[in-house]
Amino acid sequence: RKEVEQDPGPFNVPEGATVAFNCTYSNSASQSFFWYRQDCRKEPKLLMSVYSSGNEDGRFTAQLNRASQYISLLIRDSKLSDSATYLCVVNSPGSARQLTFGSGTQLTVLP
Amino acid sequence: DADVTQTPRNRITKTGKRIMLECSQTKGHDRMYWYRQDPGLGLRLIYYSFDVKDINKGEISDGYSVSRQAQAKFSLSLESAIPNQTALYFCATSDVSETQYFGPGTRLLVL
Repeated sequence: RKEVEQDPGPFNVPEGATVAFNCTYSNSASQSFFWYRQDCRKEPKLLMSVYSSGNEDGRFTAQLNRASQYISLLIRDSKLSDSATYLCVVNSPGSARQLTFGSGTQLTVLP
Repeated sequence: DADVTQTPRNRITKTGKRIMLECSQTKGHDRMYWYRQDPGLGLRLIYYSFDVKDINKGEISDGYSVSRQAQAKFSLSLESAIPNQTALYFCATSDVSETQYFGPGTRLLVL
């Protein structure tokens, strides 16, 4: 089983739609969770951290369910500029403090 | 100017050649990382360094070596390149917050 699993998509949605991505992680001891965004042929960039109580940043909402080891990202009122690959990222516990990246979910927002 | 730079941005080499990829950062971070990205596999950690005297193997270090020449510089070497090392390589830096900042990537093709 992969440490971090995501539905690869692609998700093709019309402008203005609401879309949700899910991610599961295998290590119950993980403590830090993130969503990164990667545009085609570019480097990943932090979109938002995910906090235990859930958090929102404008049109983006992230949720964490520790019991089910599940993370979600909700995008409301999708824009063309939201088209990208969204990477779910989880830390590896212990002194190494490494991050494990999911393989990403591809989103295309259509006009 | 970019905070994390990588050279070269693109490289074509032949099987058996030695190649070095370089990474420099102006963020003042102690922690630096090398990843490779392959389609469908996401980002995988090759090596990481938490300070100038610290080098650690990541998930897929075989066939690679690194050098941390200074706080700002972290280079990745392929001692004898092989075709399955064809990939997109990213350097990243972080501070204690775990947020990672990526360079623009190096596309490597091994023939």
